[in-house]
Amino acid sequence: KAGVTQTPRYLIKTRGQQVTLSCSPISGHRSVSWYQQTPGQGLQFLFEYFSETQRNKGNFPGRFSGRQFSNSRSEMNVSTLELGDSALYLCASRVAGANTGELFFGEGSRLTVL
Amino acid sequence: AQSVAQPEDQVNVAEGNPLTVKCTYSVSGNPYLFWYVQYPNRGLQFLLKYITGDNLVKGSYGFEAEFNKSQTSFHLKKPSALVSDSALYFCAAVDRGSTLGRLYFGRGTQLTVWP
Repeated sequence: KAGVTQTPRYLIKTRGQQVTLSCSPISGHRSVSWYQQTPGQGLQFLFEYFSETQRNKGNFPGRFSGRQFSNSRSEMNVSTLELGDSALYLCASRVAGANTGELFFGEGSRLTVL
Repeated sequence: AQSVAQPEDQVNVAEGNPLTVKCTYSVSGNPYLFWYVQYPNRGLQFLLKYITGDNLVKGSYGFEAEFNKSQTSFHLKKPSALVSDSALYFCAAVDRGSTLGRLYFGRGTQLTVWP
């Protein structure tokens, strides 16, 4: 069974631009969560989606948004990029309804903002 | 506020020696607890979890973790460390009354096992 797939793996943008990151969850997983990882702040929760609905949102500005499609694939978008948005963005999926909370992570998308 | 603490940024041990990576949590209710490992430029890999029951949980690659409710701790252990265990380890907790997709992570502990 294929794991969580994130694209692109690496990308470089300049300040003010916007970026879209994609995540394909494990087959059968309907819940997708996004995290930002930086050396200074560690792992911070961005949002969680289930059945195309945002179920939970972290403390990030409105420039960070996401969505989920009917096939459970998810995208996140960051608009008006700032230098501080440089980070590893991790997507994770799980079998919604399973009461164990175990997440399966992708390899991440490393964003560099110049 | 919900939080997870890993008091040591770095742990260094010799190969063959036992290792412990510490974790304490402050999460409401009876949280689910996890350990993940991250290798350079990779995502997080699940090691083990505590849901309920036995306080000693066994996981992947010979790792185990000891849950202590009174001390709100969930320390990761391995009886005999390998050089290949060198990586960044994260402790995480989730409020089991939540949607479960929002984990609270510690800052991570860099484990170095030297030959």
